[in-house]
Amino acid sequence: EAGVTQFPSHSVIEKGQTVTLRCDPISGHDNLYWYRRVMGKEIKFLLHFVKESKQDESGMPNNRFLAERTGGTYSTLKVQPAELEDSGVYFCASRKGGPGATQYFGPGTRLTVL
Amino acid sequence: GDSVTQMEGPVTLSEEAFLTINCTYTATGYPSLFWYVQYPGEGLQLLLKATKADDKGSNKGFEATYRKETTSFHLEKGSVQVSDSAVYFCALSRLYYGQNFVFGPGTRLSVLP
Repeated sequence: EAGVTQFPSHSVIEKGQTVTLRCDPISGHDNLYWYRRVMGKEIKFLLHFVKESKQDESGMPNNRFLAERTGGTYSTLKVQPAELEDSGVYFCASRKGGPGATQYFGPGTRLTVL
Repeated sequence: GDSVTQMEGPVTLSEEAFLTINCTYTATGYPSLFWYVQYPGEGLQLLLKATKADDKGSNKGFEATYRKETTSFHLEKGSVQVSDSAVYFCALSRLYYGQNFVFGPGTRLSVLP
């Protein structure tokens, strides 16, 4: 069974540009999460999808970030326009439904904004 | 709100040394507690977990006990190996509220042969 995959693994862009990160969850996992780790600090929750619906987006930092999960399969996270403080590692995780199910993490996308 | 604090790294040990990485949390109620590990170039992997007070999670020789009275979940291993070199994250989540994680800042462990 394939794990959670993320693309690209690394992205370098200039301030003001747009970047789109993609996450493919494990097949059959309805729950999908986005997290990020900025400046080597703690990993912070961004948002949670259940199928195609946003269950909780309380961690989204501002309206420059837009997450979508059309069809309830893969998800994208767009940053537009990117700022220097957006640099960090963006992780995606997925899990099956039901309390206590394990969250499986992807390898992350390292975003560098110059 | 909920928060997790863990000891600052990096931690450097010799092979077969004893490991402790301290983790404390602030949260109301009874969250579940976790240790995740990130090996170089890989994603986060669940190492162990405990869902209620006094539970002990264990895996691959690592152990941690959920201590409600001290709000702690310290990670221990009796004899580390070079292959244990990684970043270790302590985290909490709530089973019935979306189950998103609150993570600590991570502790980088380097084990020297």
